[in-house]
Amino acid sequence: DQQVKQNSPSLSVQEGRISILNCDYTNSMFDYFLWYKKYPAEGPTFLISISSIKDKNEDGRFTVFLNKSAKHLSLHIVPSQPGDSAVYFCAAKALNSGYALNFGKGTSLLVTP
Amino acid sequence: EAEVAQSPRYKITEKSQAVAFWCDPISGHATLYWYRQILGQGPELLVQFQDESVVDDSQLPKDRFSAERLKGVDSTLKIQPAELGDSAMYLCASTWTGAYEQYFGPGTRLTVT
Repeated sequence: DQQVKQNSPSLSVQEGRISILNCDYTNSMFDYFLWYKKYPAEGPTFLISISSIKDKNEDGRFTVFLNKSAKHLSLHIVPSQPGDSAVYFCAAKALNSGYALNFGKGTSLLVTP
Repeated sequence: EAEVAQSPRYKITEKSQAVAFWCDPISGHATLYWYRQILGQGPELLVQFQDESVVDDSQLPKDRFSAERLKGVDSTLKIQPAELGDSAMYLCASTWTGAYEQYFGPGTRLTVT
């Protein structure tokens, strides 16, 4: 039962434009959300996170938006750069369920020059 | 910058053989996780340690998988006997007690033939 869903397997964006990666979840007990970036042959790297008490968190070119009522979050990358080409995973932690993360299947982002 | 170390990076083994993976977390990280990532999927938790104690191994196939962290620092994940379906990337992650962001190692790519 996939509780974190990334319904777009891939996304292609031109350099300089905005990349928007989406994530939906089903578990209302999730209280903390994270985005990871993964290059081939490397482990996932933490990118940005957001607590369920917030609706936006920004770090440089990366912004995460959370819509709790829709159980939806998105990662915005502005402006997109070729080095951003990677697989992006959405992950969530459930309240009172330890600290293990539930991951989506990932979205492969390609930023073209 | 401190990193999670894993070895070997790649392992090819025949089914029914035993295989072991090693992880050395970032110094000071008391919490350690082992995840399995099948191609095209997100990482899935196998086991979580807090210091030398297992916190969660509910998703660990205990008939063939075992994990230990004897001194609360490095950890070993073992599979015996390996099956074809065990072919995957095995990721180790660590973090400080109570922290949500996890830091991943480069993983061990296992191929069972």
